[in-house]
Amino acid sequence: GENVEQHPSTLSVQEGDSAVIKCTYSDSASNYFPWYKQELGKRPQLIIDIRSNVGEKKDQRIAVTLNKTAKHFSLHITETQPEDSAVYFCAGEGSTLGRLYFGRGTQLTVWP
Amino acid sequence: DVKVTQSSRYLVKRTGEKVFLECVQDMDHENMFWYRQDPGLGLRLIYFSYDVKMKEKGDIPEGYSVSREKKERFSLILESASTNQTSMYLCASSLLADTDTQYFGPGTRLTVL
Repeated sequence: GENVEQHPSTLSVQEGDSAVIKCTYSDSASNYFPWYKQELGKRPQLIIDIRSNVGEKKDQRIAVTLNKTAKHFSLHITETQPEDSAVYFCAGEGSTLGRLYFGRGTQLTVWP
Repeated sequence: DVKVTQSSRYLVKRTGEKVFLECVQDMDHENMFWYRQDPGLGLRLIYFSYDVKMKEKGDIPEGYSVSREKKERFSLILESASTNQTSMYLCASSLLADTDTQYFGPGTRLTVL
Protein backbone atom coordinates (compact mmCIF):
# COMPACT_ATOMS: atom_id res chain seq x y z
CA GLY A 1 0.00 0.00 0.00
CA GLU A 2 0.84 3.66 0.07
CA ASN A 3 3.45 5.02 2.50
CA VAL A 4 3.28 8.71 3.37
CA GLU A 5 6.07 10.35 5.32
CA GLN A 6 5.74 13.81 6.82
CA HIS A 7 8.35 16.29 8.07
CA PRO A 8 8.99 17.99 10.37
CA SER A 9 7.16 16.49 13.33
CA THR A 10 7.20 19.84 15.14
CA LEU A 11 7.51 23.36 13.77
CA SER A 12 7.63 26.65 15.66
CA VAL A 13 7.36 29.99 13.89
CA GLN A 14 6.86 33.62 14.83
CA GLU A 15 3.55 35.20 13.96
CA GLY A 16 3.71 36.61 10.45
CA ASP A 17 6.36 34.18 9.25
CA SER A 18 5.74 31.41 6.74
CA ALA A 19 5.50 27.70 7.57
CA VAL A 20 6.20 24.79 5.24
CA ILE A 21 5.36 21.15 5.88
CA LYS A 22 6.59 18.49 3.48
CA CYS A 23 5.34 15.01 2.64
CA THR A 24 6.57 12.23 0.40
CA TYR A 25 4.61 9.26 -0.89
CA SER A 26 5.50 5.91 -2.40
CA ASP A 27 2.61 4.85 -4.65
CA SER A 28 2.87 6.44 -8.08
CA ALA A 29 -0.82 5.59 -8.63
CA SER A 30 -1.85 8.14 -5.98
CA ASN A 31 -3.76 11.05 -7.47
CA TYR A 32 -5.31 12.81 -4.52
CA PHE A 33 -3.52 14.54 -1.64
CA PRO A 34 -5.52 16.25 1.11
CA TRP A 35 -4.34 18.17 4.13
CA TYR A 36 -6.18 18.07 7.44
CA LYS A 37 -5.89 20.43 10.39
CA GLN A 38 -6.62 19.25 13.93
CA GLU A 39 -6.89 21.89 16.61
CA LEU A 40 -6.37 20.85 20.21
CA GLY A 41 -9.27 18.73 21.43
CA LYS A 42 -11.08 18.88 18.10
CA ARG A 43 -11.61 16.61 15.13
CA PRO A 44 -9.41 16.72 11.99
CA GLN A 45 -10.87 18.88 9.24
CA LEU A 46 -9.92 19.20 5.60
CA ILE A 47 -8.26 22.53 4.81
CA ILE A 48 -7.04 22.04 1.26
CA ASP A 49 -6.47 19.25 -1.23
CA ILE A 50 -4.81 18.79 -4.60
CA ARG A 51 -5.24 16.32 -7.40
CA SER A 52 -2.49 15.14 -9.68
CA ASN A 53 -3.62 17.12 -12.70
CA VAL A 54 -2.42 20.38 -11.11
CA GLY A 55 0.89 21.42 -9.59
CA GLU A 56 -0.30 24.06 -7.17
CA LYS A 57 -3.47 25.18 -5.46
CA LYS A 58 -4.06 28.23 -3.27
CA ASP A 59 -6.73 29.26 -0.82
CA GLN A 60 -6.04 32.60 0.80
CA ARG A 61 -3.00 32.12 3.06
CA ILE A 62 -2.55 28.42 2.41
CA ALA A 63 -1.21 26.69 -0.66
CA VAL A 64 -0.25 23.19 -1.62
CA THR A 65 2.30 22.18 -4.23
CA LEU A 66 2.70 18.78 -5.83
CA ASN A 67 5.66 17.28 -7.65
CA LYS A 68 4.55 13.94 -9.10
CA THR A 69 7.92 13.14 -10.57
CA ALA A 70 9.63 13.41 -7.21
CA LYS A 71 6.55 12.10 -5.35
CA HIS A 72 6.36 14.87 -2.83
CA PHE A 73 3.88 17.56 -1.88
CA SER A 74 4.02 20.46 0.52
CA LEU A 75 1.74 22.73 2.54
CA HIS A 76 2.65 26.40 2.67
CA ILE A 77 1.09 28.78 5.17
CA THR A 78 1.94 32.46 4.79
CA GLU A 79 1.48 35.27 7.31
CA THR A 80 0.95 32.77 10.09
CA GLN A 81 -1.35 33.63 12.97
CA PRO A 82 -1.68 32.08 16.45
CA GLU A 83 -4.92 30.40 15.37
CA ASP A 84 -2.90 28.43 12.81
CA SER A 85 -1.41 26.51 15.74
CA ALA A 86 -2.58 22.90 15.35
CA VAL A 87 -1.53 19.47 14.18
CA TYR A 88 -1.47 19.17 10.39
CA PHE A 89 -1.77 15.83 8.61
CA CYS A 90 -1.00 15.13 4.99
CA ALA A 91 -2.47 12.12 3.24
CA GLY A 92 -2.28 10.22 -0.03
CA GLU A 93 -4.95 8.18 -1.74
CA GLY A 94 -3.00 5.12 -2.84
CA SER A 95 -4.64 2.67 -5.20
CA THR A 96 -7.55 1.70 -2.93
CA LEU A 97 -10.48 3.93 -3.84
CA GLY A 98 -11.68 6.02 -0.94
CA ARG A 99 -8.93 5.05 1.45
CA LEU A 100 -6.40 7.63 2.67
CA TYR A 101 -2.92 6.98 4.04
CA PHE A 102 -1.98 9.63 6.57
CA GLY A 103 1.39 11.02 7.56
CA ARG A 104 2.29 11.14 11.24
CA GLY A 105 1.42 14.78 11.64
CA THR A 106 3.21 18.08 12.27
CA GLN A 107 2.59 20.09 15.41
CA LEU A 108 2.73 23.72 14.29
CA THR A 109 3.07 26.39 16.98
CA VAL A 110 2.79 30.05 16.04
CA TRP A 111 4.16 32.39 18.70
CA PRO A 112 2.63 35.86 18.97
CA ASP B 1 -23.73 20.03 6.80
CA VAL B 2 -22.20 16.62 7.38
CA LYS B 3 -22.53 15.33 10.88
CA VAL B 4 -20.57 12.40 12.25
CA THR B 5 -21.24 11.51 15.84
CA GLN B 6 -19.65 9.01 18.19
CA SER B 7 -21.40 7.38 21.11
CA SER B 8 -19.02 8.57 23.84
CA ARG B 9 -16.34 11.24 24.23
CA TYR B 10 -14.69 9.47 27.15
CA LEU B 11 -14.81 5.82 28.14
CA VAL B 12 -13.06 3.89 30.89
CA LYS B 13 -13.06 0.09 30.77
CA ARG B 14 -11.26 -2.74 32.49
CA THR B 15 -8.91 -5.24 30.92
CA GLY B 16 -10.82 -8.13 29.39
CA GLU B 17 -14.09 -6.26 28.95
CA LYS B 18 -15.89 -6.21 25.61
CA VAL B 19 -16.11 -2.65 24.35
CA PHE B 20 -18.41 -1.18 21.72
CA LEU B 21 -17.70 2.16 20.05
CA GLU B 22 -20.44 3.47 17.80
CA CYS B 23 -20.34 5.94 14.95
CA VAL B 24 -23.29 7.44 13.11
CA GLN B 25 -23.29 9.70 10.03
CA ASP B 26 -26.27 11.50 8.59
CA MET B 27 -25.14 12.20 5.01
CA ASP B 28 -25.81 8.86 3.35
CA HIS B 29 -22.09 8.25 2.90
CA GLU B 30 -21.08 4.85 1.64
CA ASN B 31 -17.58 4.79 3.16
CA MET B 32 -16.96 4.65 6.87
CA PHE B 33 -13.65 4.33 8.68
CA TRP B 34 -12.24 3.69 12.15
CA TYR B 35 -8.88 5.21 13.03
CA ARG B 36 -6.74 5.11 16.09
CA GLN B 37 -4.76 8.25 16.99
CA ASP B 38 -1.69 8.06 19.20
CA PRO B 39 0.91 10.84 19.74
CA GLY B 40 3.65 10.68 17.14
CA LEU B 41 1.94 7.89 15.20
CA GLY B 42 -0.68 9.92 13.36
CA LEU B 43 -3.95 8.41 12.20
CA ARG B 44 -3.76 4.67 11.75
CA LEU B 45 -6.59 2.87 9.98
CA ILE B 46 -8.13 -0.05 11.86
CA TYR B 47 -11.03 -1.06 9.58
CA PHE B 48 -13.14 0.50 6.88
CA SER B 49 -16.37 -0.31 5.10
CA TYR B 50 -17.66 0.52 1.63
CA ASP B 51 -21.20 -0.65 2.18
CA VAL B 52 -23.55 -2.38 4.56
CA LYS B 53 -22.16 -5.68 5.81
CA MET B 54 -18.86 -5.03 4.04
CA LYS B 55 -15.60 -4.57 5.88
CA GLU B 56 -11.95 -4.31 4.97
CA LYS B 57 -8.93 -4.53 7.24
CA GLY B 58 -6.77 -1.49 7.62
CA ASP B 59 -3.22 -1.38 8.92
CA ILE B 60 -3.83 -2.40 12.54
CA PRO B 61 -6.92 -4.69 12.74
CA GLU B 62 -5.56 -7.06 15.38
CA GLY B 63 -7.70 -7.09 18.53
CA TYR B 64 -10.59 -5.28 16.81
CA SER B 65 -13.67 -6.20 14.83
CA VAL B 66 -16.38 -4.10 13.20
CA SER B 67 -20.04 -4.27 12.33
CA ARG B 68 -22.05 -2.39 9.75
CA GLU B 69 -25.67 -3.49 9.78
CA LYS B 70 -27.05 -0.13 8.58
CA LYS B 71 -25.55 2.34 6.15
CA GLU B 72 -25.39 5.17 8.67
CA ARG B 73 -23.84 3.20 11.54
CA PHE B 74 -20.39 1.65 11.91
CA SER B 75 -19.37 -0.02 15.15
CA LEU B 76 -15.91 -0.84 16.41
CA ILE B 77 -15.66 -3.75 18.82
CA LEU B 78 -12.83 -4.60 21.16
CA GLU B 79 -13.50 -8.24 21.97
CA SER B 80 -11.28 -8.29 25.05
CA ALA B 81 -9.87 -4.87 25.88
CA SER B 82 -6.21 -4.59 26.77
CA THR B 83 -4.20 -1.71 28.20
CA ASN B 84 -2.38 -1.20 24.89
CA GLN B 85 -5.71 -0.30 23.33
CA THR B 86 -5.88 2.85 25.43
CA SER B 87 -6.08 5.54 22.77
CA MET B 88 -8.18 8.11 20.91
CA TYR B 89 -10.54 6.49 18.41
CA LEU B 90 -11.81 8.52 15.48
CA CYS B 91 -14.57 7.59 13.09
CA ALA B 92 -14.87 9.12 9.62
CA SER B 93 -17.15 8.89 6.61
CA SER B 94 -16.98 9.85 2.92
CA LEU B 95 -18.75 9.38 -0.38
CA LEU B 96 -17.84 6.36 -2.48
CA ALA B 97 -18.19 8.01 -5.89
CA ASP B 98 -14.69 9.40 -5.91
CA THR B 99 -11.90 9.92 -3.48
CA ASP B 100 -13.53 12.53 -1.38
CA THR B 101 -13.29 14.46 1.81
CA GLN B 102 -13.37 12.36 4.93
CA TYR B 103 -15.51 13.85 7.67
CA PHE B 104 -14.44 12.96 11.17
CA GLY B 105 -16.37 12.44 14.35
CA PRO B 106 -15.31 14.11 17.61
CA GLY B 107 -13.41 11.06 18.81
CA THR B 108 -13.68 8.71 21.79
CA ARG B 109 -10.90 8.76 24.37
CA LEU B 110 -10.77 5.16 25.61
CA THR B 111 -8.83 4.24 28.73
CA VAL B 112 -8.37 0.57 29.58
CA LEU B 113 -7.32 -0.07 33.16
